[in-house]
Amino acid sequence: NAGVTQTPKFQVLKTGQSMTLQCAQDMNHEYMSWYRQDPGMGLRLIHYSVGAGITDQGEVPNGYNVSRSTTEDFPLRLLSAAPSQTSVYFCASSYVQGGNGYTFGSGTRLTVV
Amino acid sequence: AQSVSQHNHHVILSEAASLELGCNYSYGGTVNLFWYVQYPGQHLQLLLKYFSGDPLVKGIKGFEAEFIKSKFSFNLRKPSVQWSDTAEYFCAVIYSGAGSYQLTFGKGTKLSVIP
Repeated sequence: NAGVTQTPKFQVLKTGQSMTLQCAQDMNHEYMSWYRQDPGMGLRLIHYSVGAGITDQGEVPNGYNVSRSTTEDFPLRLLSAAPSQTSVYFCASSYVQGGNGYTFGSGTRLTVV
Repeated sequence: AQSVSQHNHHVILSEAASLELGCNYSYGGTVNLFWYVQYPGQHLQLLLKYFSGDPLVKGIKGFEAEFIKSKFSFNLRKPSVQWSDTAEYFCAVIYSGAGSYQLTFGKGTKLSVIP
């Protein structure tokens, strides 16, 4: 089925470890973004991309890196995990104009101990 | 900074009661407006959206929302809620008039429907 696929669904990291959250979409959407969801905070934008090779920072980019080498994939990297990065992470995609709204992945629940 | 405000953090209703969740945004230019729903343990799903035209928008599952430009509001309504509507609801805005296509979310409103 067409949509946004995120892996893994759950992950536990130790402080200082690195990892990559994967996000792939098969709808040929140009716009992809990463959000983190924390209780009482809603969803906050981490990084986004308006096309292959183009990325930019969102509201809370510190501690995260992204790249966009293909239209389909938009991985999120944590270089040195911290307990403050414990959260649920959602990837979303849309056509650049956001015309039909965004399609969200099922999320990755990350715990940093 | 552009922002979205949802004034109710947690709403508790009995089944068959009417629902109205408030949403206000801060930008006076061109906006695209959305309501998303997140059922427990699931990802966000689009309930409805507004881009232009009729300010009363109908979405899925009997939900509707009204865009009132003069009040910078986009409130979500449902005449009669069901237990299955228990979820968290997020209002979101794209401030397209500012040349951005980023989706800005409110902090969410938890709805608990009591059978």
